[in-house]
Amino acid sequence: AQRVTQPEKLLSVFKGAPVELKCNYSYSGSPELFWYVQYSRQRLQLLLRHISRESIKGFTADLNKGETSFHLKKPFAQEEDSAMYYCALRGWGKLQFGAGTQVVVTP
Amino acid sequence: EADIYQTPRYLVIGTGKKITLECSQTMGHDKMYWYQQDPGMELHLIHYSYGVNSTEKGDLSSESTVSRIRTEHFPLTLESARPSHTSQYLCASSAIRGSYTEAFFGQGTRLTVV
Repeated sequence: AQRVTQPEKLLSVFKGAPVELKCNYSYSGSPELFWYVQYSRQRLQLLLRHISRESIKGFTADLNKGETSFHLKKPFAQEEDSAMYYCALRGWGKLQFGAGTQVVVTP
Repeated sequence: EADIYQTPRYLVIGTGKKITLECSQTMGHDKMYWYQQDPGMELHLIHYSYGVNSTEKGDLSSESTVSRIRTEHFPLTLESARPSHTSQYLCASSAIRGSYTEAFFGQGTRLTVV
C-alpha cells in the first residue's frame, strides 16, 4: 500500500532562517512525488514536482529513493511562505496526500 | 477560462437530507478526485475516476457516492446527511503533462450538517 508521512504538523521559523519540511513515502513502484501548498483563503495548488527538479519560489525538493524521502527545503524563509504544505504521491491511479505541515514564518 | 468549479461553496443542511455536491471542470481532464478535509488536517481521498463511467472508492471509507456520466462533471451525493459528514470537500482533476501529472483543485464545499 502507498503511504505518505509528514511527521511535523507545525513548523515555526524566523524570517531569513532555513526551513525544511520532511516527507517520507512508501510505494512499491516508481512514484511521482509532489509538494502542494495552500495559502490562507486560497486553493490548494502545485508547488513543485520531483521529476522537474526545479526551484519554485526558492523551494527545492530532492527525491531520495534510498531513504524514500522527498523533503522540501528553502534556505531563507520569507513571511509569504506561511502556508500549509502537503506532500503527495501519485501511484496506481491515486493521488494521495500526507497530513500536511503548517509553516509559520515570523518577522 | 479553463478551471474547476465547485458548488455550493457553503452548505448548511439538516440531518437526513439528501445532498449533491457539484464539481465541474472545463480542462478536458480524464481523472477526477474527491477529497475530504477537516480544518488544518489531512486530505483523505474518498473517490476517484479515470474517465466516463469509471469510479473507484478511495482510502477513506465514505457513505457518499459519485457518478461520472460526462467527462467534465463529477458530482458527489449523500443520500442521508449526518453530523459526522460535516467537513470540507475538495474536488480535483488532473491530466498528463509531459511525463508527470498535475492536479488542479476547486475552491471546496464546506458542508455543515445540523
